[in-house]
Amino acid sequence: DTGVSQDPRHKITKRGQNVTFRCDPISEHNRLYWYRQTLGQGPEFLTYFQNEAQLEKSRLLSDRFSAERPKGSFSTLEIQRTEQGDSAMYLCASSLTQSDTQYFGPGTRLTVL
Amino acid sequence: AQTVTQSQPEMSVQEAETVTLSCTYDTSENNYYLFWYKQPPSRQMILVIRQEAYKQQNATENRFSVNFQKAAKSFSLKISDSQLGDTAMYFCAFMRAGNMLTFGGGTRLMVKP
Repeated sequence: DTGVSQDPRHKITKRGQNVTFRCDPISEHNRLYWYRQTLGQGPEFLTYFQNEAQLEKSRLLSDRFSAERPKGSFSTLEIQRTEQGDSAMYLCASSLTQSDTQYFGPGTRLTVL
Repeated sequence: AQTVTQSQPEMSVQEAETVTLSCTYDTSENNYYLFWYKQPPSRQMILVIRQEAYKQQNATENRFSVNFQKAAKSFSLKISDSQLGDTAMYFCAFMRAGNMLTFGGGTRLMVKP
């Protein structure tokens, strides 16, 4: 069990550019979650998947944010037309079932200049 | 909507001593789970301890234990024999069955030698 992995670990981009982050969950984990964490705060939920189905996306911060999990394995989170306010740590977590503990990846730190 | 409150932004404790971190939450649900996660500086979020609301017995994991008071909606974390490696941000989190985590604002714990 290699744990949840995220790529890249750090991303610096200019305002207006699009960015995409990848998350690989723990093998056989059906649930995959995305959270955003700003400095000194607790993580804030964005969206989650049960296999390839996106079950909740109303918490995505704007229509510039989108996520996919096309084959029920890895997931991507895309932010279009980035803004300075998007600078944050983006965390991915996975769990085996809906009631199981969520295990977190190391996160992708985004800096928008 | 559920809310989680951690009223102690920062705490410190001497090595080998005991410290208790506070957490309260608000929910109308009866079936839920509570967690404490630890986030060391510049490192990923890891699970400390988990409590199912239907269990009356308080969860324990080695030096970590909780005091779960369901009626009072209180969920405190006790760390015994504090070690330097316990220095971290600690987040209390609530999860309704089949749903996302709702985090508190965190408590920064410093263990002093």
